[in-house]
Amino acid sequence: QLQLQESGSGLVKPSQTLSLTCTVSGGSISSGGYSWHWIRQPPGKGLEWIGYIYHSGRIYYNPSLKGRVTISVDRSKNQFSLKLNSVTAADTAVYYCAREQDAFDFWGQGTMVTVSS
Amino acid sequence: QAGLTQPPSVSKGLRQTATLTCTGNSNIVDGACWLQQHQGHPPKLLSYRNNDRPSGISERFSASRSGNTASLTITGLQPEDAADYYCSAWDNSLSAWVFGGGTKLTVL
Repeated sequence: QLQLQESGSGLVKPSQTLSLTCTVSGGSISSGGYSWHWIRQPPGKGLEWIGYIYHSGRIYYNPSLKGRVTISVDRSKNQFSLKLNSVTAADTAVYYCAREQDAFDFWGQGTMVTVSS
Repeated sequence: QAGLTQPPSVSKGLRQTATLTCTGNSNIVDGACWLQQHQGHPPKLLSYRNNDRPSGISERFSASRSGNTASLTITGLQPEDAADYYCSAWDNSLSAWVFGGGTKLTVL
């Protein structure tokens, strides 16, 4: 059974960089046809798509976050990562990683990231 | 019409039928998927490609589309169906995935 697990710093200071990693187990991140996503959810609010990396390496970002976000992959570790720079309180959210092939079929449990000094 | 629009809340009685809607450009909702999220848990995929269900999802959940509206119908409502429901789809014009604002379903 495929599993995804987010890890990274739970507390980030304003203006600094948020860094998270998603470790995939039970399947290969290089499997054809799948995309690997980051999605976030501010407390009490809805879901917001951040971006994804396709198995081929092609990357798409949410236009509203473009310029601040970088997604990368480490195939040797079966992981993909998120970096979001110049964070503010508005970036406080639960961050999820998810797999997608036409729809988001596997999700990590999510990790809460708080932006605060 | 930008994005996907969902009503904030729907309330129905036990064993009744609830229909949740998701409105947007017809070329976006055509490929909409539906997710269920219970408080404190990650979302779970219920339906994709408009009415395919992942293994293990009850037949009580069915999706459809008419024009620019995608719908999720839940029959025989159970207490565990009380949750937030999101629609999502790829928007080619934005080259981005978009989510509806979510509908909170209350089972009375």
